[in-house]
Amino acid sequence: AQSVAQPEDQVNVAEGNPLTVKCTYSVSGNPYLFWYVQYPNRGLQFLLKYITGDNLVKGSYGFEAEFNKSQTSFHLKKPSALVSDSALYFCAVRDKGTYKYIFGTGTRLKVLA
Amino acid sequence: DGGITQSPKYLFRKEGQNVTLSCEQNLNHDAMYWYRQDPGQGLRLIYYSQIVNDFQKGDIAEGYSVSREKKESFPLTVTSAQKNPTAFYLCASSLDSDPNEKLFFGSGTQLSVL
Repeated sequence: AQSVAQPEDQVNVAEGNPLTVKCTYSVSGNPYLFWYVQYPNRGLQFLLKYITGDNLVKGSYGFEAEFNKSQTSFHLKKPSALVSDSALYFCAVRDKGTYKYIFGTGTRLKVLA
Repeated sequence: DGGITQSPKYLFRKEGQNVTLSCEQNLNHDAMYWYRQDPGQGLRLIYYSQIVNDFQKGDIAEGYSVSREKKESFPLTVTSAQKNPTAFYLCASSLDSDPNEKLFFGSGTQLSVL
């Protein structure tokens, strides 16, 4: 069965510092990987996706993610964090057979001024 | 302005009552989904529909029902059989069933039990 894991419930980082939110996956074949962000009492918003090609994917709001096949990881990164980046971040994989999305449990990012 | 509209924003259910959550999209998307969000558990799939008049159970379908009579609409009914309905419910859609496609989400409905 396909799955994703987000090992950290919360990540704290100082404003201006680089941030990393971790995600590992378990899929058969080549994965379709996504990152979404959720602000309080709102739906999720798409940030970026990896389908194929370049291992470094650039997305919205200055975020990027690095696909690492050998480590089965898809970590979300940003060179310089903003207070406004504070939110709940979800990693997801899409099942190519059923087209269902499988989400991780989410990581709360707190950027401290 | 295109998007997904969920209503109501807040909903309260009495014991033994069925309640229906509305989800409408004007994005002309084929596929629609319902997720339940509980703290610390991420998003769990309740039902999804890839085409009008067809839908499939997700991972936690028990106690829920859906219909897809129109492309734009995918209402979710939380029945009295769902013993723990308190959660944040999210509706989503995608252009089609291509796994390359991203999901678009509504703003959610918070359901609570009185």
